[in-house]
Amino acid sequence: GAVVSQHPSWVICKSGTSVKIECRSLDFQATTMFWYRQFPKQSLMLMATSNEGSKATYEQGVEKDKFLINHASLTLSTLTVTSAHPEDSSFYICSARDGRIAHEQYFGPGTRLTVT
Amino acid sequence: DAKTTQPNSMESNEEEPVHLPCNHSTISGTDYIHWYRQLPSQGPEYVIHGLTSNVNNRMASLAIAEDRKSSTLILHRATLRDAAVYYCIQTYNFNKFYFGSGTKLNVKP
Repeated sequence: GAVVSQHPSWVICKSGTSVKIECRSLDFQATTMFWYRQFPKQSLMLMATSNEGSKATYEQGVEKDKFLINHASLTLSTLTVTSAHPEDSSFYICSARDGRIAHEQYFGPGTRLTVT
Repeated sequence: DAKTTQPNSMESNEEEPVHLPCNHSTISGTDYIHWYRQLPSQGPEYVIHGLTSNVNNRMASLAIAEDRKSSTLILHRATLRDAAVYYCIQTYNFNKFYFGSGTKLNVKP
């Protein structure tokens, strides 16, 4: 089946620094990638949608200047959390949609971010 | 926003069938129903999806009501590895997934 990877799997950073999370589709071309955030014991919350070569579309309430998304190729999207604060600590999950199978999304394993 | 409602939790005995219900009363004609499950600290895993007809795969079966306002995920023989949070997702608006609270399935040995 389709595989999506994320790097790093976990990261600890100091408050005020920026952190970049990578999401890669390993065996298919992802025309669209999605980024989610999940707090402990809560469901996944969609943050933004990114299409290859164009600007990301952010969900209401998500700060686009804080969560920078780049989707420069059909296999890679990155999420940069800028000036991270402890409240940004969360589980960040990406998913990718195969352009040939419109209704399927394949999820990455997630990245645990802890801001101290 | 999520458009589906599911029970918060369910319990099953190992090797018995499990029926996980989902209500999606606002579904439109072109919306698909997807089911994913998630283990702690992992990304969601695809289970099954359907549009109008009942669907079967090696993991589960999906029974969709005739009016499409509800569906049921059926695990034919629950195992301990099936213990997870199961999400029912109604897709619309360029196939974005808006997750509801899901059903936490506990499987007893």
